Amino acid sequence: DQQVKQNSPSLSVQEGRISILNCDYTNSMFDYFLWYKKYPAEGPTFLISISSIKDKNEDGRFTVFLNKSAKHLSLHIVPSQPGDSAVYFCAASDGAGNMLTFGGGTRLMVKP
Amino acid sequence: DSGVTQTPKHLITATGQRVTLRCSPRSGDLSVYWYQQSLDQGLQFLIQYYNGEERAKGNILERFSAQQFPDLHSELNLSSLELGDSALYFCASSPVGRRDTPGETQYFGPGTRLLVL
Repeated sequence: DQQVKQNSPSLSVQEGRISILNCDYTNSMFDYFLWYKKYPAEGPTFLISISSIKDKNEDGRFTVFLNKSAKHLSLHIVPSQPGDSAVYFCAASDGAGNMLTFGGGTRLMVKP
Repeated sequence: DSGVTQTPKHLITATGQRVTLRCSPRSGDLSVYWYQQSLDQGLQFLIQYYNGEERAKGNILERFSAQQFPDLHSELNLSSLELGDSALYFCASSPVGRRDTPGETQYFGPGTRLLVL
């Protein structure tokens, strides 16, 4: 039973445009959500997080939106750059210090 | 650089063997987590240690065990290895790991790639 799902395995975007990556979850106990970027054969790199008391968090070109009623979060990257090409994972936890449950990942390709 | 280190980077071994993967958390982090990423699966949580004590277990096989030492580094021991154990193994750390605090970020090491032949 996948509690965190990323339904798009891949996404292709033109440089300078917006990239929108989506993530859905089923466990209503999740209260902290994170996005990680990962290159092949490297560890996940933390990008941005959001707690369930917020609906938006921004950090530079990255914005995460959380819709608790829909159990849906999204990551917006504006403007997209070729260096953003990687696999993006969303993850969730149900309390500080608890394990992360990961989605299956979305491969983002930003074309110059 | 996340500040989490893992050794070795690559490991090639044979079925039936035993290996030990090592992780040093970020300075000051008390919690260490181990995750496995297989080819056909995403990142799966294995086990967590907090300040030397086991805190949580995920889908970790009985052939696998871990420990966290007084200096807070952790080791993941994999024994009676099978072909299906070939995967990337990641260690992550977080500052506190207390359940009564707001969510906290886990920072990941570069991983150990294990190949069982």
